[in-house]
Amino acid sequence: EAGVTQFPSHSVIEKGQTVTLRCDPISGHDNLYWYRRVMGKEIKFLLHFVKESKQDESGMPNNRFLAERTGGTYSTLKVQPAELEDSGVYFCASSQDQPGPKGAFFGQGTRLTVV
Amino acid sequence: GEDVEQSLFLSVREGDSSVINCTYTDSSSTYLYWYKQEPGAGLQLLTYIFSNMDMKQDQRLTVLLNKKDKHLSLRIADTQTGDSAIYFCAERTGGGNKLTFGTGTQLKVEL
Repeated sequence: EAGVTQFPSHSVIEKGQTVTLRCDPISGHDNLYWYRRVMGKEIKFLLHFVKESKQDESGMPNNRFLAERTGGTYSTLKVQPAELEDSGVYFCASSQDQPGPKGAFFGQGTRLTVV
Repeated sequence: GEDVEQSLFLSVREGDSSVINCTYTDSSSTYLYWYKQEPGAGLQLLTYIFSNMDMKQDQRLTVLLNKKDKHLSLRIADTQTGDSAIYFCAERTGGGNKLTFGTGTQLKVEL
């Protein structure tokens, strides 16, 4: 069974450009989460989808970030325009409706560098 | 509020035990987790403990939970060079699956 996959694995962009990160959850998982870790700090929750609906977007830092999950399958996270402080590793995770004690499964992450 | 704290670095000799500590503030945590991130890799779930337990052992890993002090620790016995990684503790609260992570502890294993 395929795990959570994220594309790209690395991205280097210039300040002011746009970047779109993609996450493909495990098939059948309705819950999809985005987290990010900026350099040396904690991994912070960004938002949670249940199917195509945003259940909790309390962690989104500002309106330069737009997350979508059309059709309730894969999700994209767009940063426009990117700023230097957006650099970090963006993780995606997915889980079933009743996740159980192990919780969600994480992807490999996308390392974003804004120069 | 939610806040999870860890020390940033730990260095041990190969074969010694490693103890990574974590403190959290949310007393309504249901599960607490330890994740491992190796260089260039994603987050790997190492182990977890339910909040009504005080200890869990899994091969070389021992998790201790002190609910009164809101303190979680991960002990790795016979630490190997392959254990070098960043270790994150995380708490899960409420009925959902949202996690609050610590800053991560960089474990360096020296020969």
